[in-house]
Amino acid sequence: GAVVSQHPSWVICKSGTSVKIECRSLDFQATTMFWYRQFPKQSLMLMATSNEGSKATYEQGVEKDKFLINHASLTLSTLTVTSAHPEDSSFYICSAREGSRGSGNTIYFGEGSWLTVV
Amino acid sequence: DAKTTQPTSMDCAEGRAANLPCNHSTISGNEYVYWYRQIHSQGPQYIIHGLKNNETNEMASLIITEDRKSSTLILPHATLRDTAVYYCIVSRSGGATNKLIFGTGTLLAVQP
Repeated sequence: GAVVSQHPSWVICKSGTSVKIECRSLDFQATTMFWYRQFPKQSLMLMATSNEGSKATYEQGVEKDKFLINHASLTLSTLTVTSAHPEDSSFYICSAREGSRGSGNTIYFGEGSWLTVV
Repeated sequence: DAKTTQPTSMDCAEGRAANLPCNHSTISGNEYVYWYRQIHSQGPQYIIHGLKNNETNEMASLIITEDRKSSTLILPHATLRDTAVYYCIVSRSGGATNKLIFGTGTLLAVQP
């Protein structure tokens, strides 16, 4: 299957600072990428949908000013957690849809990024 | 997107077939059935998806009932490495955003 890569795999940051997570589709162009968050022993929660060249669409209850998403190219989307706090510590996972808009396609996931805010 | 219902957990003996059920009684005509699995501390792995017909690939088979209200994922010869949480998701394919909404999934424990 197609490959989606995330970087970094894990990061520790101080409370109040910002941290950026990258999501790349390595062997296909992704017009749409998705960002999820997963707390221990819970399922994945969709945070936002990122469309190349346009603003992200956030799910209800997700603060768009805190979780900044940029999808500047067809192979890269970034998630920036601004003014991070310990409660933002979580497993962040991105996914990318293979195929063009309007066509049947498959969504592939990255390896995930562990964020710990101390 | 339609919701799905899966058993919380299942056991399977190594080498035997693992049959994971999923109910999606409110599925609509343009929604696909997707299966993913998540091994601990990793991102979800795509397994298979289908619309109406049964599907098979190198990982698994997907059996969808004629009324499309339920499906079964079959791992023909389960190994210990197949221990994971398996998610059944229904979603529209096509359009600008066929997002995947995860439920709680089924924890499959393959026993030696």
